[in-house]
Amino acid sequence: AQTVTQSQPEMSVQEAETVTLSCTYDTSESDYYLFWYKQPPSRQMILVIRQEAYKQQNATENRFSVNFQKAAKSFSLKISDSQLGDAAMYFCAYRSGGSQGNLIFGKGTKLSVKP
Amino acid sequence: GAGVSQSPSNKVTEKGKDVELRCDPISGHTALYWYRQRLGQGLEFLIYFQGNSAPDKSGLPSDRFSAERTGESVSTLTIQRTQQEDSAVYLCASSPSTGGARNEQFFGPGTRLTVL
Repeated sequence: AQTVTQSQPEMSVQEAETVTLSCTYDTSESDYYLFWYKQPPSRQMILVIRQEAYKQQNATENRFSVNFQKAAKSFSLKISDSQLGDAAMYFCAYRSGGSQGNLIFGKGTKLSVKP
Repeated sequence: GAGVSQSPSNKVTEKGKDVELRCDPISGHTALYWYRQRLGQGLEFLIYFQGNSAPDKSGLPSDRFSAERTGESVSTLTIQRTQQEDSAVYLCASSPSTGGARNEQFFGPGTRLTVL
């Protein structure tokens, strides 16, 4: 069975600085997708970024980028120029390729942004 | 357009009572998912509907949990004889049929269930 591990329960960053959130996963599959979701206090989960396992190039979305290390099964999220609105829970998630089945989530990292 | 909606937003019930939670997916989305999020935890998968296929019930924690979906529209999650450990936020998500596994799941705001 696949598992997702986020080893940082809480992180803090100064506004305008850069922060990296860690995620590791375990799988024997070669075809899969990885996601980072943001959950603000409103509870609404919002997709931040996704990565296809077959792509070597790291995904980027504006201030958000990932460091995908397939051999190490690592998928970290880098937030540049942190803003107060980035404060939220961040969840790393895995999904098997070839289907639209469920996501497997890590336990999350709570990010605080200091003004 | 409208996103995924869930009702009620909050539900307080007594131990042993049955509860029904409702999810209205985005129109046209064939896939619908239910997840449970206990306090301070990640999301646990409960059940997945895809069009007219048999649902994937592999995440349901006990036979007290069941869910239905009418076609490609509303879904109801029912918890019978609620227990205190059922207290959690129940999140629903939907996604379109095209795009496969890379598809984004669009989440609703969740229902916070408290069992006294």
